[in-house]
Amino acid sequence: DAGVIQSPRHEVTEMGQEVTLRCKPISGHNSLFWYRQTMMRGLELLIYFNNNVPIDDSGMPEDRFSAKMPNASFSTLKIQPSEPRDSAVYFCASSRRDTGYTFGSGTRLTVV
Amino acid sequence: EDKVVQSPLSLVVHEGDTVTLNCSYEVTNFRSLLWYKQEKKAPTFLFMLTSSGIEKKSGRLSSILDKKELFSILNITATQTGDSAIYLCAVSGGGADGLTFGKGTHLIIQP
Repeated sequence: DAGVIQSPRHEVTEMGQEVTLRCKPISGHNSLFWYRQTMMRGLELLIYFNNNVPIDDSGMPEDRFSAKMPNASFSTLKIQPSEPRDSAVYFCASSRRDTGYTFGSGTRLTVV
Repeated sequence: EDKVVQSPLSLVVHEGDTVTLNCSYEVTNFRSLLWYKQEKKAPTFLFMLTSSGIEKKSGRLSSILDKKELFSILNITATQTGDSAIYLCAVSGGGADGLTFGKGTHLIIQP
């Protein structure tokens, strides 16, 4: 199994640009999570999906953030327009019920 | 609001020492507590604890949960430089599937 696959690994973009982060969960895992990690706030849950349906998006910081899961093998997290304070490492994780989570390698986003 | 507090925030010890990392939590409808090790990239899973008093072991690492006092410890014996990492504690509960993470303990093992 290739694990949870995220792309890109790194992205540097200018303020105001649209950013799209991508995630492919582990096959057979029915839950998918987007987390953001910063030095100040640690790892924070942004949104999660069960069976492709968004369940809890209360962690999404602003309307500039949106996430979709069009099918069981793909999810996107979009930031439009991006701001410097969005700079962080964004992790995607997937799980099956009552099993440990598996994290992707993360996308390091820098907004200048 | 669910809360996870880890201590210490950072720890520097010599190779061969034993370390104990602490995690206390407040969560409604607790389901499980998880420990992760994060080096340069993604957190990697160490343990999932759901029952009090039952120690989980993996090599030099072990962990135990106390659901009455709402805390867990992670022990590492005979530490090695490869144990240097951030150790994250997380809890699940409250009717949601997402995890609430602590800020982590940054462990540095000096040769």
